[in-house]
Amino acid sequence: QVQLVQSGAEVKKPGASVKVSCKASGYTFTAYYIHWVRQAPGQGLEWMGRINPSTGDRYYIQKFQGRVTMTRDTSISTAYMELSSLTSDDTAVYYCARDFLFEGYSGSEDYWGQGTLVTVSS
Amino acid sequence: DIQMTQSPSSLSVSVGDRVTITCRASESISRYLNWYQQKPGKAPKFLIYTASSLQTGVPSRFSGSGSGTDFTLTISSLQPEDFATYYCQQTYSTPQTFGQGTKVEIK
Repeated sequence: QVQLVQSGAEVKKPGASVKVSCKASGYTFTAYYIHWVRQAPGQGLEWMGRINPSTGDRYYIQKFQGRVTMTRDTSISTAYMELSSLTSDDTAVYYCARDFLFEGYSGSEDYWGQGTLVTVSS
Repeated sequence: DIQMTQSPSSLSVSVGDRVTITCRASESISRYLNWYQQKPGKAPKFLIYTASSLQTGVPSRFSGSGSGTDFTLTISSLQPEDFATYYCQQTYSTPQTFGQGTKVEIK
């Protein structure tokens, strides 16, 4: 069965960086885009960007450009999202999710990781 | 970016009620509209894609309709496990964007 398993909760100080991992199993990792979505406490869903695990091609929304880096390691079927220069506004649950479309791009997310809580606090 | 607006923001309903949630896009998105369900402390669950297609395993009491700018999610007879927050999402253009959510609560 398809699974995305994320790394554990993190507590960071303002100005630091965080790197969240997302290990995929149950499908061909390179055949589906991976999306990253975050959710601040009590708030809605915010799409951050996506990576093509096959080519490494990435897209970030403008809000995060310069601060976010999405990478992947195909040898271990794992995607990563690193966010730098953290502020309290970055406190959120960060999700990875698989795109719905096989060997294509739909923008829809059918399988999600369990989420990683990142807390930014001095 | 395309703005997605859901209404209502919350509603109180009883088991067995028919529930309708609307989602409006700031410009036409054809039928590139998804619906997700999220329960507290859990990841979102993919329910409906391209406005009206049910994802595998989703109960038939869920249905979606609409095109252009106006869309609807309907739950024909609300079950206890359906109390959750529902989000619409457009995938017509990048960046994909979500509505602010509609919380379905027990009356």
